[in-house]
Amino acid sequence: QSVLTQPPSASGTPGQRVTISCSGGSSNIGSNTVNWYQLHPGTAPKLLIFGNNQRPSGVPDRFSGSRSATSASLAISGLQSEDEADYYCAAWDDSLNGWVFGGGTKLTVL
Amino acid sequence: QVQLQQWGAGLLKPSETLSLTCAVSGGSLSGYSWNWIRQPPGKGLEWIGEISHSGRTGYNPSLKSRVTISVDTSKNQFSLKLSSVIAADTAVYYCARVPVFGVVIMIDYWGQGTLVTVSS
Repeated sequence: QSVLTQPPSASGTPGQRVTISCSGGSSNIGSNTVNWYQLHPGTAPKLLIFGNNQRPSGVPDRFSGSRSATSASLAISGLQSEDEADYYCAAWDDSLNGWVFGGGTKLTVL
Repeated sequence: QVQLQQWGAGLLKPSETLSLTCAVSGGSLSGYSWNWIRQPPGKGLEWIGEISHSGRTGYNPSLKSRVTISVDTSKNQFSLKLSSVIAADTAVYYCARVPVFGVVIMIDYWGQGTLVTVSS
């Protein structure tokens, strides 16, 4: 059981916009910023969004993030086939004094 | 470009000790905390623990009694040991970097992952 709650799956067709939610609590998302990661099988996880809504250099602006209270969301617009991957939210937890993650959302591009 | 290259035994028997090492290239250990994170098959990510370049550690309470994370600044690498492994410790293990400067907290670089299987 993951500390942060994500839907297990999401899907969309090429060109569509999809959003993935992430729900937490006061000790994690409510107190600290949220990061989002993209995982393709067999490769190192990639940082997509940090600080709730900031994109690292090289990440397309099709990816955007937001946070409100104890929830966050990742939006992917102009969906592409290479976006098919697993997506995880993460935040520092002040009670655990460590990182907590969502259970992951498997995105399928139909 | 920062790279984290990890290695270690991939198949263990129950009660053995898991041992993984992560070498950092393209950057210094100083100014960062160095983390281990794992993902059991079909499950989400779980934080194991962290170490600073000075050797200060923090562990997930659920694993604390079995985990040791150490750092070797002369080799620019850090290591994970997990003792008395059981089948539930089967997972892909990742090493990862967290900058400790600045306001935003994030894991910015990850290793490629090592599948560790515990089976008799």
